[in-house]
Amino acid sequence: GAVVSQHPSRVICKSGTSVKIECRSLDFQATTMFWYRQFPKQSLMLMATSNEGSKATYEQGVEKDKFLINHASLTLSTLTVTSAHPEDSSFYICSARDPRSSGNTIYFGEGSWLTVV
Amino acid sequence: DAKTTQPNSMESNEEEPVHLPCNHSTISGTDYIHWYRQLPSQGPEYVIHGLTSNVNNRMASLAIAEDRKSSTLILHRATLRDAAVYYCILRGNNAGNMLTFGGGTRLMVKP
Repeated sequence: GAVVSQHPSRVICKSGTSVKIECRSLDFQATTMFWYRQFPKQSLMLMATSNEGSKATYEQGVEKDKFLINHASLTLSTLTVTSAHPEDSSFYICSARDPRSSGNTIYFGEGSWLTVV
Repeated sequence: DAKTTQPNSMESNEEEPVHLPCNHSTISGTDYIHWYRQLPSQGPEYVIHGLTSNVNNRMASLAIAEDRKSSTLILHRATLRDAAVYYCILRGNNAGNMLTFGGGTRLMVKP
């Protein structure tokens, strides 16, 4: 299947600082990428839909000024958690739609663990 | 998005087949049935998807009921590495359609 890669896989940051997570589609061009958050023992919750060349669409309850999403190219979307607080500690996962597949199959990255101390 | 219903958990013995059920009685005609699985501390992994006909790939088989109101993911020989949470998700074919995750089925494989 298609390959989606995230970086970093784990990051620890101090409260009040910002941290950026990158999501790349390695073997296809992704006009649409999705960002999810997952707390321990819970399912994935969609945060926002990232569209190349335009503003991201955020789900209800997700602060767009806190979770900045940039989809500057067809292979890269970034999520920046600004002014991070301990409650932002979570597993962040991106995914990208492979336009070559039937049913527009979505592939996921490995996930990024964020710990805010 | 149409909702799916899956058992919270299932157990299987290693090297035996596993049938993971999913009910989706409100499925629309254009919804694809997608299955993903998530191992601990990893992003979800695509398993298989289908629309109307049964599908087979190297990982699993997908059996879709004739009325499309239910489907079954079949792992032909469970291994310990198949222990994961399996998600059955309906998704339209529009490019912007996202995947909405429910609780999934936690599959435990006993040696």
